[in-house]
Amino acid sequence: NAGVTQTPKFQVLKTGQSMTLQCAQDMNHEYMSWYRQDPGMGLRLIHYSVGAGITDQGEVPNGYNVSRSTTEDFPLRLLSAAPSQTSVYFCAIREGTNTGELFFGEGSRLTVL
Amino acid sequence: DQQVKQNSPSLSVQEGRISILNCDYTNSMFDYFLWYKKYPAEGPTFLISISSIKDKNEDGRFTVFLNKSAKHLSLHIVPSQPGDSAVYFCAAGTYKYIFGTGTRLKVLA
Repeated sequence: NAGVTQTPKFQVLKTGQSMTLQCAQDMNHEYMSWYRQDPGMGLRLIHYSVGAGITDQGEVPNGYNVSRSTTEDFPLRLLSAAPSQTSVYFCAIREGTNTGELFFGEGSRLTVL
Repeated sequence: DQQVKQNSPSLSVQEGRISILNCDYTNSMFDYFLWYKKYPAEGPTFLISISSIKDKNEDGRFTVFLNKSAKHLSLHIVPSQPGDSAVYFCAAGTYKYIFGTGTRLKVLA
């Protein structure tokens, strides 16, 4: 998966708990992003980053925080988890500047009770 | 509003025939258009892409066509194989990529 590592792969939280989904890449790519996938909804962009220190919101940013202090890591934080955040989360990088192709990690399945 | 739409939730095709998956978009500013294949419990797998300055791109059995005037994107798979059975997503964007809701392709042996 193009060197994209997501952890944890599975997590169960209680409503109100906080947690961080980790995404790491070892290829020095500037662009990283987070998506969530829900049944019948496709993949929806949460946040993205075009380089260290630069982040921006996607389609569904509410309830999530991100930061990009290094090129390698792009963590996604849930400060107070809600059942509506039960989903599968995917981190993606973009390898090239001329092709636009995104490459995805294997996903993190989160359940909020 | 849904900027990228896949209006067919499912498609069944006989092995060896052509599969055509369609996608419509509304934003003429998208620079890149991509197709992904997805199996359950796995991340999306990149198939093929096309930039907004082109109208066709081929890679083996996969061809993507872009009709900018109609804001329409299609993926042709020839010949279709049973291993192609999966959910296919189209996506468009430059930095903010928007995905369609997917089409489930079933290739019948």
